[in-house]
Amino acid sequence: AQKVTQAQTEISVVEKEDVTLDCVYETRDTTYYLFWYKQPPSGELVFLIRRNSFDEQNEISGRYSWNFQKSTSSFNFTITASQVVDSAVYFCALSDPQGGSEKLVFGKGTKLTVNP
Amino acid sequence: NAGVTQTPKFRVLKTGQSMTLLCAQDMNHEYMYWYRQDPGMGLRLIHYSVGEGTTAKGEVPDGYNVSRLKKQNFLLGLESAAPSQTSVYFCASSRPRPSEQYFGPGTRLTVT
Repeated sequence: AQKVTQAQTEISVVEKEDVTLDCVYETRDTTYYLFWYKQPPSGELVFLIRRNSFDEQNEISGRYSWNFQKSTSSFNFTITASQVVDSAVYFCALSDPQGGSEKLVFGKGTKLTVNP
Repeated sequence: NAGVTQTPKFRVLKTGQSMTLLCAQDMNHEYMYWYRQDPGMGLRLIHYSVGEGTTAKGEVPDGYNVSRLKKQNFLLGLESAAPSQTSVYFCASSRPRPSEQYFGPGTRLTVT
């Protein structure tokens, strides 16, 4: 069965620090997709990135970067020079393509607090 | 475009009452989903639909029913609410793979 583990329940940093959020997944599928979502205090879920299992290139978007390593089944998320606005709960998710759908299995989330 | 909308935003029910949550999307997505979010549990899939007129069970379907009579709408029903159904409910939609899901703003439901 698909599984996503986010071992860090809460992280607290001071503004401008770099922070890495860990995500480890389990799947028997050879083709799969990984996602990161952000849930700010306002409660909505914001899509950040999608990565397919055939593309192990790291991705960078501004202060955000993602490190995908199939060998360790990990898809870690790094925020460089964190800001207060980065405070949120971050969810990692794995595709579960059963029944013709694109279901997602979510980790339990990591709550990031960035202090000024 | 409004994206994914949910009605209502908040609701308080008494045990045993029924209600329907409405999800609407204007992105012409084939797939729609209902999740619940509980503290420390992440998001768990209740039911999903891969097209108009079709629905399927997710991870935690008990106590809920769904219908998708129109492509743009996905309804979640609670026939006899229980306190264990106190949660935040999110609807999402997506295109076929590969695609991310787009989420609605959520409905906070309290059952007393």
